[in-house]
Amino acid sequence: GEDVEQSLFLSVREGDSSVINCTYTDSSSTYLYWYKQEPGAGLQLLTYIFSNMDMKQDQRLTVLLNKKDKHLSLRIADTQTGDSAIYFCAESNSGTYKYIFGTGTRLKVLA
Amino acid sequence: EAGVTQFPSHSVIEKGQTVTLRCDPISGHDNLYWYRRVMGKEIKFLLHFVKESKQDESGMPNNRFLAERTGGTYSTLKVQPAELEDSGVYFCASSPIWDKGQETQYFGPGTRLLVL
Repeated sequence: GEDVEQSLFLSVREGDSSVINCTYTDSSSTYLYWYKQEPGAGLQLLTYIFSNMDMKQDQRLTVLLNKKDKHLSLRIADTQTGDSAIYFCAESNSGTYKYIFGTGTRLKVLA
Repeated sequence: EAGVTQFPSHSVIEKGQTVTLRCDPISGHDNLYWYRRVMGKEIKFLLHFVKESKQDESGMPNNRFLAERTGGTYSTLKVQPAELEDSGVYFCASSPIWDKGQETQYFGPGTRLLVL
């Protein structure tokens, strides 16, 4: 079945760039998403990318997609303490509406 | 516009008891989804409603779980009887129109369920 994998933890210093990686197995993935969950809060959509795109940039966020390797990354420029959260990668395809999520990467930003 | 809301935010019950979780989707959204995150693992799909109909319930773990969406508005997820392994965070999400293809899902804050 479909699987999405992420590393569990990432620690960076304030002001540095963070790169959170995700790999997926479903070759028919059409949409890939990044969600953020702050402590005690719900899932906030950060950005998404269609599978026919290689890159998408939105202010401090850059998403890179390598469809051949089924690898997705989220780069956060100038990481701030407010970026500390769990980041979930998710994929879906046009045949079904359900999302397949990874385990989430806990980002800790050190002041 | 109000987002997806869920009630209660937290629930602590004993094994064998019944718990009912409620989700109110964004007004006008046809699609409603339930997901669950257990013990820090991945968030897993439970089921998908289109209006009041169950479109996909392939993720429901067993027959102790019953989801309803009467009238196509809010939804309830009942766990009866609850077991220890049911502990986790239950998320609800909604998205707009069924026949427009893939739509971004908007998530609620989740209900944190602890079964003792």
